Amino acid sequence: ETGVTQTPRHLVMGMTNKKSLKCEQHLGHNAMYWYKQSAKKPLELMFVYSLEERVENNSVPSRFSPECPNSSHLFLHLHTLQPEDSALYLCASSQVYFPRYEQYFGPGTRLTVT
Amino acid sequence: SQQGEEDPQALSIQEGENATMNCSYKTSINNLQWYRQNSGRGLVHLILIRSNEREKHSGRLRVTLDTSKKSSSLLITASRAADTASYFCATDAVDGGATNKLIFGTGTLLAVQP
Repeated sequence: ETGVTQTPRHLVMGMTNKKSLKCEQHLGHNAMYWYKQSAKKPLELMFVYSLEERVENNSVPSRFSPECPNSSHLFLHLHTLQPEDSALYLCASSQVYFPRYEQYFGPGTRLTVT
Repeated sequence: SQQGEEDPQALSIQEGENATMNCSYKTSINNLQWYRQNSGRGLVHLILIRSNEREKHSGRLRVTLDTSKKSSSLLITASRAADTASYFCATDAVDGGATNKLIFGTGTLLAVQP
């Protein structure tokens, strides 16, 4: 649909588990983003990668660990999460890392931490 | 308050009516974007308006920008049930220095009744 895919679409994990979210973009873009969307809150930017280099890390707890092995793939590794981390996690990409360019979003991973 | 705040928070109209959503922001911007999000899905870019533009059209969408009032409006004409979604504005706010971030508002939830 948008050229950005995310897996899994739904994830339930305990606080002691380790899991990973995967994002893949088929658009040839150079920038990729992780956002957290919680109910009644603005979209929160978590991490940005530009040309596979992390350029933004917005005071995100260390229990979230991003990885960008190449310009098409982005991972978010999760460990020892808290219930308040339950949210929709959205991946996005843009042609370049600059806000003039529109961002293309994946469908998101709905994460529930029990 | 947030950099981008949409108003109203929720809007319910009948099919065929027009829907108007507003976005206010606090700091100077270079451009403003509008996105749509269907329930539990990723965001989809609708339109971008630059700070030197006052009005822009795309199909049934009309966006205005008033930089003196730091506000923008999104008008959807002849609404359809498929327009039911949340609508977000996003700005590239300059916050004490250069920023490459897009900052999203909290969104307006639009419900179009058939």
